[in-house]
Amino acid sequence: DAKTTQPPSMDCAEGRAANLPCNHSTISGNEYVYWYRQIHSQGPQYIIHGLKNNETNEMASLIITEDRKSSTLILPHATLRDTAVYYCIVSRIQGAQKLVFGQGTRLTINP
Amino acid sequence: NAGVTQTPKFQVLKTGQSMTLQCAQDMNHEYMSWYRQDPGMGLRLIHYSVGAGITDQGEVPNGYNVSRSTTEDFPLRLLSAAPSQTSVYFCASSYSSTSGKLRLYEQYFGPGTRLTVT
Repeated sequence: DAKTTQPPSMDCAEGRAANLPCNHSTISGNEYVYWYRQIHSQGPQYIIHGLKNNETNEMASLIITEDRKSSTLILPHATLRDTAVYYCIVSRIQGAQKLVFGQGTRLTINP
Repeated sequence: NAGVTQTPKFQVLKTGQSMTLQCAQDMNHEYMSWYRQDPGMGLRLIHYSVGAGITDQGEVPNGYNVSRSTTEDFPLRLLSAAPSQTSVYFCASSYSSTSGKLRLYEQYFGPGTRLTVT
């Protein structure tokens, strides 16, 4: 599975959009981009995933570049409850049960 | 649904002791996995299962055994605990082919078991 690179930490003001980048330059054609987050010491929570098209759900939007070598997770109106570690993971859909988590980005939402 | 449950929440072991971490899910998920998370690190896969009777090794399987006799349960056994196994252990499940929701991509994680080996 392709490796991902994320900034170790980011800050964002409450109410603003939080844009979390992820580089995955060695991604293969059949690999998806997944985003999970981990709030404090809880178990990770699925946010969104995509292959090559931009995706949106009730939690976030995922923008994948045309060459698929990078992506951005967007939390449109960040709240204090969005403070968490965000993990960008690349994996085949058939491997979704054995994800490889990196160290993620620690996002802090400031009041 | 209770989702994914893990017991115990906390455990302290002495070096050399054995124990079993319990994981159960009530979502009829076929896939289940065990991860460990060391302080300040991401999760690492220990073992996983794609159905009852089928298990496979993940990234860090040494020192752990698993079995999957039912769809609901996926216990993790520490054979002889070592201080290096001090960690938080998370169980996860995904994918039900019978519920009409083929959400293969979404893993549901339990609350974790915090294990300290002295």
